[in-house]
Order: sequence, then structure tokens, then C-alpha cells
Amino acid sequence: DTAVSQTPKYLVTQMGNDKSIKCEQNLGHDTMYWYKQDSKKFLKIMFSYNNKELIINETVPNRFSPKSPDKAHLNLHINSLELGDSAVYFCASSPLAGGPSGETQYFGPGTRLLVL
Amino acid sequence: GENVEQHPSTLSVQEGDSAVIKCTYSDSASNYFPWYKQELGKRPQLIIDIRSNVGEKKDQRIAVTLNKTAKHFSLHITETQPEDSAVYFCAPFSGGYQKVTFGTGTKLQVIP
Repeated sequence: DTAVSQTPKYLVTQMGNDKSIKCEQNLGHDTMYWYKQDSKKFLKIMFSYNNKELIINETVPNRFSPKSPDKAHLNLHINSLELGDSAVYFCASSPLAGGPSGETQYFGPGTRLLVL
Repeated sequence: GENVEQHPSTLSVQEGDSAVIKCTYSDSASNYFPWYKQELGKRPQLIIDIRSNVGEKKDQRIAVTLNKTAKHFSLHITETQPEDSAVYFCAPFSGGYQKVTFGTGTKLQVIP
């Protein structure tokens, strides 16, 4: 009965490679997010989608491209990986952006990306 | 954008003592004030939240207090236990399609 799931859990890759992370939620939420958590534990939002539409796009290199095929899935593709991309990437969902409880974030388990 | 700061950044307490973490924000339109707990190697999870029409909320050993005038809210943990050791984040929010800005995090260590 996993609520928000991500794959893979660990990702070790060489600089310059392209990789994807997948996220799925079975909570029926309308809004999904990608966050990056660096080695100092800062949690920074990257993207937010509401019902498959991009609503937040922070200052993120265009090597990062999110894609939401439907409101239960949000994937993240990263081109030409760099050393500085090493971090934990969390997917999250919330019931309804703008709704009375729309702000609570439900996080996935995270994907630990290490670029060598 | 919203500036969100937490103090202290690290906190060590003896088991059984109380811990208080403060979150200061800049957006006066903020109306939702949650606290998340992230254990080592795990995902952040909501532990308590409060809305701007309430000044204080309590749930067993944890409580959140809000001072909207001064733009800060605090997490209070009483009778701390080793399992309270984690990083705690605040994430004040103003609603709608605004982005959620997480605080800088506070690492709490409870010493047995």
C-alpha cells in the first residue's frame, strides 16, 4: 500500500551520462513535486505539476526535464550528468494545490544519485 | 520569494528534557505552518501543522505555537526520547499555486 514510490532507490553513474527517475503516487493527489536535497540537507523545490500541467519551474538547469504522463506519475530525466548533481532527489505529492489541505507534502523514499 | 530560517541549526538535549525549534518566515500571507521530521536515511514526514486562525496546537509530546505578528512559529518537544533524534523542517505556505519553501533544517540529537 505504498503511497508515493520512486525508482530507482540508488543510482550511481558516470559524469556525462543521461538518467531517469520515476515517481508514482496512489493517493489520488492532483499535485506532484520534485525536490533536491543536498549534502547539507537543504530541501529545495525543483518542479511542481498540477494535474499534468507544469506550475512551478525553479531555476534549474535545462538538463533537468520533468514529465508527467498522468496525474499519478511524475518522472525526471537528467541529461549530461555533472558531479554537482549528486544529491537525494525526492518526489512528493499533495492533495490539491490551492485546496484547504493542499499544502501537506507526502514524500517518496528518495533516490540517492551519485555521479562519479 | 519567501525567506525561511530555522534556529538553532543543531540542538543536543538529554533524554527527558524539552527541545524548542523556531522558524522565522518573511511572507506575511503565509497561512499554513507545518513541521516535518526526517530521520536518517528516510523521507521527510509531517508531524504537526497549524493554520493561521489557531495560536497553538498540541499532539501528545509535540506542540506548535504561532506568532503571526512576529512571523515565526515554533516546534516544542517535551520529554524527549532517542527516537526524536532527526532533522526537523518547517515549511510555511501562503496557499494557491505558490511554491513550498522549506526551512534550513534543525538537527536534533537526544542523548540517552
